[in-house]
Amino acid sequence: GAVVSQHPSWVICKSGTSVKIECRSLDFQATTMFWYRQFPKQSLMLMATSNEGSKATYEQGVEKDKFLINHASLTLSTLTVTSAHPEDSSFYICSARPQGVNYGYTFGSGTRLTVV
Amino acid sequence: DAKTTQPPSMDCAEGRAANLPCNHSTISGNEYVYWYRQIHSQGPQYIIHGLKNNETNEMASLIITEDRKSSTLILPHATLRDTAVYYCIVRDTINAGNMLTFGGGTRLMVKP
Repeated sequence: GAVVSQHPSWVICKSGTSVKIECRSLDFQATTMFWYRQFPKQSLMLMATSNEGSKATYEQGVEKDKFLINHASLTLSTLTVTSAHPEDSSFYICSARPQGVNYGYTFGSGTRLTVV
Repeated sequence: DAKTTQPPSMDCAEGRAANLPCNHSTISGNEYVYWYRQIHSQGPQYIIHGLKNNETNEMASLIITEDRKSSTLILPHATLRDTAVYYCIVRDTINAGNMLTFGGGTRLMVKP
């Protein structure tokens, strides 16, 4: 089945530094990937849609200059949290769906970001 | 996409069937019903989806009412590993360009 690999699974960084999270589709090509954020005891909130070869589309209230998204190939999208602050600490999850497959989206295992 | 309503939490005894309801009274004719679950600190996992007919796979069964305004996810023999948050989502197409919008879900606790 379709597999989405997300790395790292957890990361701790200092305030003011940047962190990059990778999302790879291992056995399919994904022209579109989605990035979600989840705070404790809350549901997933869509942050942005990553489009291969073009600019990402950000949801209202999500700063595009803070959450940089790059989708340079059909199997890799990256999310970089720039100048991280403690309030950016969250669970970040990516998702994609194989073309032409009649089942749902596949999600990565998530990245737990802690900013200290 | 249509909004869904789910109970915030449910308990189920291990080995018994878990029946998770979902109301989607504003669903339109071309919207599918999807179910996902999220085990603590993991990404969501696809369970099942359907349009009109009842569906069954190795994980669960999906029962959709005739008017399609509600559905029930059935885990026939719940185990402790089925403890998770279950999300019911409706969306209009399976077009790859459309994202999934998550509501609050139902926190299912399977107890020994």
